[in-house]
Amino acid sequence: DQQVKQNSPSLSVQEGRISILNCDYTNSMFDYFLWYKKYPAEGPTFLISISSIKDKNEDGRFTVFLNKSAKHLSLHIVPSQPGDSAVYFCAATRLASGTYKYIFGTGTRLKVLA
Amino acid sequence: GAGVSQSPSNKVTEKGKDVELRCDPISGHTALYWYRQSLGQGLEFLIYFQGNSAPDKSGLPSDRFSAERTGGSVSTLTIQRTQQEDSAVYLCAIERGGLVGYLFFGPGTRLTVL
Repeated sequence: DQQVKQNSPSLSVQEGRISILNCDYTNSMFDYFLWYKKYPAEGPTFLISISSIKDKNEDGRFTVFLNKSAKHLSLHIVPSQPGDSAVYFCAATRLASGTYKYIFGTGTRLKVLA
Repeated sequence: GAGVSQSPSNKVTEKGKDVELRCDPISGHTALYWYRQSLGQGLEFLIYFQGNSAPDKSGLPSDRFSAERTGGSVSTLTIQRTQQEDSAVYLCAIERGGLVGYLFFGPGTRLTVL
C-alpha cells in the first residue's frame, strides 16, 4: 500500500518558469510533510517542510502548499534554475505518534532546460 | 553528507552470499534510519533506531535482513543469502537532536547482486 504517491515520474520546465511537483497521501493521520532533493550518487537532502496546521510554507524560491481536505501537497519552485534538476521526493510522517517514521513517495525527476 | 558516512560505497556480490553494510553517523543524533532505493522506485523504509527503544523493524522485507546499532552509534545492516532483488542503493539517515523532522542522509551503498 503506497501511502505517499507521486504520480508524475518526470517533469521538464524551461529555466525561469515555475516548476510544480505534486504529491498525494492516503493516511489522514500524517501531520508533517517534507520535500527532499536528490542528485545522482548522493543521498537526499532536506529542502522544505510543512506542518499540518499550516497550508503554506515558503523558503526563498521554494514554496510548499498543503491541502488537507484533498490529502495533497505541492512544491513550487520559482524561478526554476538548471541546478534544480534532480529527483524530488515528498515524505510524510505522524509526529504525534512519537515514532517519527517517514514514508517517502517514488520521486519526480525534474529537468530544468536552459 | 551532513555527518553520515557509509561503507562500502559500492558492493558487488554473488547471489547467496551474505553482505554487511555500515553506517557511521555523527555523534549526538537522536534516531537512525535505513532506507533503500531500488531501480525506478522510491525510498523504501527498512528499519529505524531511536534511543534505547526497541527498533522499528516493520519495513524489513524478509528475515534475511537484520540491523543493529552498537553503542548507540555505528549501525550495520546485514543481508543474508542475498538475492538479485536485493540490488539497490541502501541509504542510512539520522535525525539530529533538536531538529525533529529533518533527516540527514549518507551517500548510500550501491549493492549489486549478480
